[in-house]
Amino acid sequence: QVQLVESGGGVVQPGRSLRLSCAASGFTFSSHALHWVRQAPGKGLEWMSLISFDGNNKYYADSVKGRFTVSRDNSKNTLYLQMNSLRPEDTAVYYCAKDYSGRYTIDYWGQGTLVTVSS
Amino acid sequence: QSALTQPASVSGSPGQSITISCTGTSSDVGGYNYVSWYQQHPGKAPKLMIYDVSNRPSGVSNRFSGSKSGNTASLTISGLQAEDEADYYCTSYAGSYTWVFGGGTKLTVL
Repeated sequence: QVQLVESGGGVVQPGRSLRLSCAASGFTFSSHALHWVRQAPGKGLEWMSLISFDGNNKYYADSVKGRFTVSRDNSKNTLYLQMNSLRPEDTAVYYCAKDYSGRYTIDYWGQGTLVTVSS
Repeated sequence: QSALTQPASVSGSPGQSITISCTGTSSDVGGYNYVSWYQQHPGKAPKLMIYDVSNRPSGVSNRFSGSKSGNTASLTISGLQAEDEADYYCTSYAGSYTWVFGGGTKLTVL
């Protein structure tokens, strides 16, 4: 079955950087685009980023464009999110999610990793 | 990239039907038939319930149905059960490989 396991969350000071990872299994990783979605405490979901199956195309929400960078290593079945210049409003649970090919939506989600930006 | 508008909360008694609305614009909900709905229980990951406005993934109960009219999509849950109590989120493709989510609706089964 599809499994997505995020890691790398924690407490970080404003202005610092953090890199999240997402280890995938149960599907052909190199054939699917992947998303990052976040959820601030007690708030709704916010789409953040999409990376194509081969990593050649990347898309971002305006709220993180220029600060966050998505990447993937298809040899390791792993997705990454490099987060720079972190702000308190970036505090959230970060989910990686599998794109439902051809359906312009997400079909599977990881359990998420919590990032807290605080001094 | 403004969030889609959902009611903050809805409620219903077991066996009843409820409908959750999701209002966007012609740039997202109204412009594409790529509206999805997710169910999220506390502390859990979201689960896909409806995609392409009205399609159910394998394994999702036929008590869940979706529709769309203009810039508003809707999720209807019939025959409410206690386990349906959760948060529900809509999402829509918004063009140029971007997506927008609704603010979420808390469903309470009375």
